[in-house]
Amino acid sequence: QLQLQESGPGLVKPSETLSLTCTVSGGSISSSGYFWGWIRQPPGKGLEWIGSISSTGSTYYNPSLKSRLTISGDTSMNLFSLRLSSVTAADTAVYYCARQAGTGSDVWGQGTLVTVSS
Amino acid sequence: DIVVTQSPDSLAVSLGERATINCKSSQSVLYSSINKNYFAWYQQKPGQPPRLLFYWASTRESGVPDRFSASGSETDFTLTISSLQAEDVAVYYCQQYYTNPQTFGQGTKLEIK
Repeated sequence: QLQLQESGPGLVKPSETLSLTCTVSGGSISSSGYFWGWIRQPPGKGLEWIGSISSTGSTYYNPSLKSRLTISGDTSMNLFSLRLSSVTAADTAVYYCARQAGTGSDVWGQGTLVTVSS
Repeated sequence: DIVVTQSPDSLAVSLGERATINCKSSQSVLYSSINKNYFAWYQQKPGQPPRLLFYWASTRESGVPDRFSASGSETDFTLTISSLQAEDVAVYYCQQYYTNPQTFGQGTKLEIK
């Protein structure tokens, strides 16, 4: 059974870099046809697609975040990561990782709250 | 970006009654070559991640009760709960994944009347 688990600091200072990891178990991030994505949700608000990485390592970013965003994968550790630089309070959100495909985002992590505050 | 507009923002329905949520995409999300709409519906309960209910606009994900149905094509989509149960209280989101950036509707909060 595929499972995804986010990990990383829950508190980041303004102007610093937010770094999160999504560890995948029960399946491989190298599996053909899948993308591994990040979605965030500010407290009490809706969902925003951040970006994704394909099984072959190609990356796709939301243009609204592209200048600050890096998504990478580590096939040896079977995980993928998010780095968002120069954060502000507007980046405070629950960050989810999810498996994505032509059939939608079918497996999600539980999410991790990241607060940007000094 | 494709804008997905969801309505209503909130909805109160009596137990056993029908609930209907609509979404409109600013452009078609139909892949003509395979005749599939890259459009999905999710249910999110408090403190939980979203749960995929439907993909390809109307294909029910495994385990989703059959009181849930979805329809639509190109730019107009509908999610229907035929007989509302207490456990259906949640926020429902629609999403287009036809093109990046993938975009979501703003959500519909469904409550019991």
